[in-house]
Amino acid sequence: EAQVTQNPRYLITVTGKKLTVTCSQNMNHEYMSWYRQDPGLGLRQIYYSMNVEVTDKGDVPEGYKVSRKEKRNFPLILESPSPNQTSLYFCASSLLRENTEAFFGQGTRLTVV
Amino acid sequence: AQRVTQPEKLLSVFKGAPVELKCNYSYSGSPELFWYVQYSRQRLQLLLRHISRESIKGFTADLNKGETSFHLKKPFAQEEDSAMYYCALRGDDYKLSFGAGTTVTVRA
Repeated sequence: EAQVTQNPRYLITVTGKKLTVTCSQNMNHEYMSWYRQDPGLGLRQIYYSMNVEVTDKGDVPEGYKVSRKEKRNFPLILESPSPNQTSLYFCASSLLRENTEAFFGQGTRLTVV
Repeated sequence: AQRVTQPEKLLSVFKGAPVELKCNYSYSGSPELFWYVQYSRQRLQLLLRHISRESIKGFTADLNKGETSFHLKKPFAQEEDSAMYYCALRGDDYKLSFGAGTTVTVRA
């Protein structure tokens, strides 16, 4: 089944403790991105990648890192999480082609205390 | 810069009534416009794309370049339409930008 898989689904952590949220897609998509979803703000792009070893900042990149060593994986790294990073995170992937659909993961609800 | 505005955060309608979700955008090039839907406890999924000009689950959306709008409409709302709806714009760099979302509640 074609899908985007995120792990973990839920995570509670303490301020400053490094964490990684994994994202994997099995559709051979070139484009992958991370969003955070906050009430009243919708989805805001954190980072994106147009292919292996090609990543760039989105609208709200501060406090996050990403890597794209393989086409299928795009982990999101929080080196020193803070409470303002408490949010619902979504990974998405799509082909680099016009009018194609973006596929989303199930979401990761992160709480930083 | 690209921007998507959804002016209504909440929309409540009765079953069988028409529903219209507003979406306005700002983009200097030729945008691709989409509507995504998020049902309770599910991931976001594509509902409509402007290029297809099709009706999905009874919903339609017309791109109006003069008014820079892409409003979503359904003539007769159903209870299963209750969800969060996001308007999205993809620019020439493939970046997908979303509006703040509209939560639709369809009451029996």
